[in-house]
Amino acid sequence: NAGVTQTPKFQVLKTGQSMTLQCAQDMNHEYMSWYRQDPGMGLRLIHYSVGAGITDQGEVPNGYNVSRSTTEDFPLRLLSAAPSQTSVYFCASSYSQSSGANVLTFGAGSRLTVL
Amino acid sequence: AQTVTQSQPEMSVQEAETVTLSCTYDTSENNYYLFWYKQPPSRQMILVIRQEAYKQQNATENRFSVNFQKAAKSFSLKISDSQLGDTAMYFCAFRVVQGAQKLVFGQGTRLTINP
Repeated sequence: NAGVTQTPKFQVLKTGQSMTLQCAQDMNHEYMSWYRQDPGMGLRLIHYSVGAGITDQGEVPNGYNVSRSTTEDFPLRLLSAAPSQTSVYFCASSYSQSSGANVLTFGAGSRLTVL
Repeated sequence: AQTVTQSQPEMSVQEAETVTLSCTYDTSENNYYLFWYKQPPSRQMILVIRQEAYKQQNATENRFSVNFQKAAKSFSLKISDSQLGDTAMYFCAFRVVQGAQKLVFGQGTRLTINP
């Protein structure tokens, strides 16, 4: 099993450019999410999805867009990149809620630099 | 809203020593889970240990154990017989039992094990 696969691992953008961070999981997880990691701030939730066709905002959603057309994929789109979006991005997934302490499986992270 | 606070940005100990990382949290919920994640230089997020709030017994995983004080809203991680491979960022995280699997993370503690 591949687990949670994120691409690309590294990306450099110029201000105003758009791009999509890809996330795919092969564990049939209903729940998928995107976090960003910044020094001194831990990981903060951007968007999440509890199933195909359902998405919701997390703590820091501004400047990001998501969709969930399939169970496996949960792409994160930056519509017009800004230097404040320079960060490390993590995709994470798990089985859905309430059945015990479901543990998130994280991808390897994507380092994004916006110049 | 829930918050998680890790008051020790950095810690450093000698190999084989015992080290304790602190974590406090704030919530009005009664049912929740607490986690410690390790992030080595590879950037991968690795679950170290988890605790269910309704369980009074502290969780243990080999050399890792927690001191869970529900009334004080404290959740510290003890690493016994520390090893060089324990060098990493450690994040404390919280989530409620009901609802989506949204984790709230602390700021992280950078732990260095010296030979």
